[in-house]
Amino acid sequence: GAGVSQSPSNKVTEKGKDVELRCDPISGHTALYWYRQSLGQGLEFLIYFQGNSAPDKSGLPSDRFSAERTGGSVSTLTIQRTQQEDSAVYLCASSPSSRNQETQYFGPGTRLLVL
Amino acid sequence: AQKVTQAQTEISVVEKEDVTLDCVYETRDTTYYLFWYKQPPSGELVFLIRRNSFDEQNEISGRYSWNFQKSTSSFNFTITASQVVDSAVYFCALTRTGANNLFFGTGTRLTVIP
Repeated sequence: GAGVSQSPSNKVTEKGKDVELRCDPISGHTALYWYRQSLGQGLEFLIYFQGNSAPDKSGLPSDRFSAERTGGSVSTLTIQRTQQEDSAVYLCASSPSSRNQETQYFGPGTRLLVL
Repeated sequence: AQKVTQAQTEISVVEKEDVTLDCVYETRDTTYYLFWYKQPPSGELVFLIRRNSFDEQNEISGRYSWNFQKSTSSFNFTITASQVVDSAVYFCALTRTGANNLFFGTGTRLTVIP
């Protein structure tokens, strides 16, 4: 079946602009995760959803970052007033449930460059 | 606190050589899960293996094998008879009880030279 998909694959924006990144999880997966991969920080957790709820937002780096999930499926990560340090690859993953033993399957990522 | 250490930043081997990627973890939990992912140049993280803390059996899958030792908090990954297609960044990761996110190591970049 189809894997996790993300769009856009690449995004270039100017400092101060808002951006939206989209994630389509594997059909039937109730848990969805956002991670960020940057040169200086490695792979870091941002937020996860169980259904449409986000029990853990602890990884969001600032209040400029927000995410939502609708219909238990598609999720959007929004970054407001982008800064150059937001440049990174944003990875989305999904798993059948939010139990910690479940394997997370990753999408191809969105490469964000803030000029 | 959880921590995953992959001390080898980069490794280069010649094709057909065996190579072992090290992973050492720290956690206070008695129940946890360990994972290995491969990130080829295309960028997508590919799941390789999951191991729970109660299962110390080594596992072999084709040319890949994993050695889990709780006594040394290590979960090492060996590729036998490496191939150019094995060139990638390999990440070791941990999830702990009550938390759903993966804690990743910093990755090991493997280059297999033809």
